[in-house]
Amino acid sequence: NAGVTQTPKFQVLKTGQSMTLQCAQDMNHEYMSWYRQDPGMGLRLIHYSVGAGITDQGEVPNGYNVSRSTTEDFPLRLLSAAPSQTSVYFCASSSTGTELNTGELFFGEGSRLTVL
Amino acid sequence: GQNIDQPTEMTATEGAIVQINCTYQTSGFNGLFWYQQHAGEAPTFLSYNVLDGLEEKGRFSSFLSRSKGYSYLLLKELQMKDSASYLCAVLDSNYQLIWGAGTKLIIKP
Repeated sequence: NAGVTQTPKFQVLKTGQSMTLQCAQDMNHEYMSWYRQDPGMGLRLIHYSVGAGITDQGEVPNGYNVSRSTTEDFPLRLLSAAPSQTSVYFCASSSTGTELNTGELFFGEGSRLTVL
Repeated sequence: GQNIDQPTEMTATEGAIVQINCTYQTSGFNGLFWYQQHAGEAPTFLSYNVLDGLEEKGRFSSFLSRSKGYSYLLLKELQMKDSASYLCAVLDSNYQLIWGAGTKLIIKP
């Protein structure tokens, strides 16, 4: 079992460029989410999905788009990168929908993005 | 607003016991989680509390008091590999996780 796989692990962008962070899970989890982690702050939810074809905004969605065409994949798109989007991004999945009964989120290894 | 407070950094000695506190103010409560995150790595799940009391898992225990909006993570027989950040998170009434900024635990020999 690979778990949650994120690519790329590192990326440097110039302001205004666009890119997609890929996330795939092989655990048949319904719930998938994207977080960003910045120094001195808690993880902040960007977007999440409770199943294929369903997405919703989290706490900090501006500048990001997502789609969920399959259960396995949940890509995050940066439309026009800004220096404020420099961060570490984590994809996470869980076996339940809105109710995290087990309490266990499975995280990918993270993607470190720098926007110049 | 919703708020999770944890100490920024703690230092402890190998073999000792350390308690990491977490206080929260959230709109509703559906459980509290502790995650461990080693530097440069992803968070991994440690514990989940939804009822008051102590949950023990080997060297790690987690305590919850809902009336006080308070939890702690207790680590016994500290090992060097326990050097990490410990993240407290609360599931609010909308089943969204609210995360604390994390406590960096430094273990000294």
